Amino acid sequence: AQKVTQAQTEISVVEKEDVTLDCVYETRDTTYYLFWYKQPPSGELVFLIRRNSFDEQNEISGRYSWNFQKSTSSFNFTITASQVVDSAVYFCALNTGGFKTIFGAGTRLFVKA
Amino acid sequence: DAGVIQSPRHEVTEMGQEVTLRCKPISGHDYLFWYRQTMMRGLELLIYFNNNVPIDDSGMPEDRFSAKMPNASFSTLKIQPSEPRDSAVYFCASSPTGGGANVLTFGAGSRLTVL
Repeated sequence: AQKVTQAQTEISVVEKEDVTLDCVYETRDTTYYLFWYKQPPSGELVFLIRRNSFDEQNEISGRYSWNFQKSTSSFNFTITASQVVDSAVYFCALNTGGFKTIFGAGTRLFVKA
Repeated sequence: DAGVIQSPRHEVTEMGQEVTLRCKPISGHDYLFWYRQTMMRGLELLIYFNNNVPIDDSGMPEDRFSAKMPNASFSTLKIQPSEPRDSAVYFCASSPTGGGANVLTFGAGSRLTVL
């Protein structure tokens, strides 16, 4: 069975703090894809990143970075120097090659000024 | 491209009424997905289409739910009759490709409240 667990329901930080959103996934497939999506208050889910199971290189994009570790089945997302505009719900998702993308429950991030 | 367009953005109706949600995918995207988001169950895939053909509707909760895609630029999700437990945000998403690598582009969602 496939599953995505985002244990942190809500996180609250003060602007400029670094924050890490955890994501743990379960699958028996050797080929799979992991995603992060952002849902700002406007409601629309926005794609942030995709990784395939064969590429464990960490990725950095501006203030965003992702740490993929197959050994712990984790795909964590770190925001450096958080800003108020980062306030949103963040979803981690898994696809094992079919058409069904499975989403975690989401982590709501509050960044206070 | 204007992105995935959904209407209405908000719908309030009374139990027993028919509800129709609409979606216009991104031109050229061959895959269309309907998701439902609730606090209790998170994001659930209801149904998806490939080239206007429904491929997997195993996520549709009951026979009260139906979805159609009469052409490449339009899809509807209908609930008849609606019930309070159908209250949720319904998202339409499209993708240019199939398979596990597909990146979903979501619409803004339709927030449904059934009284």
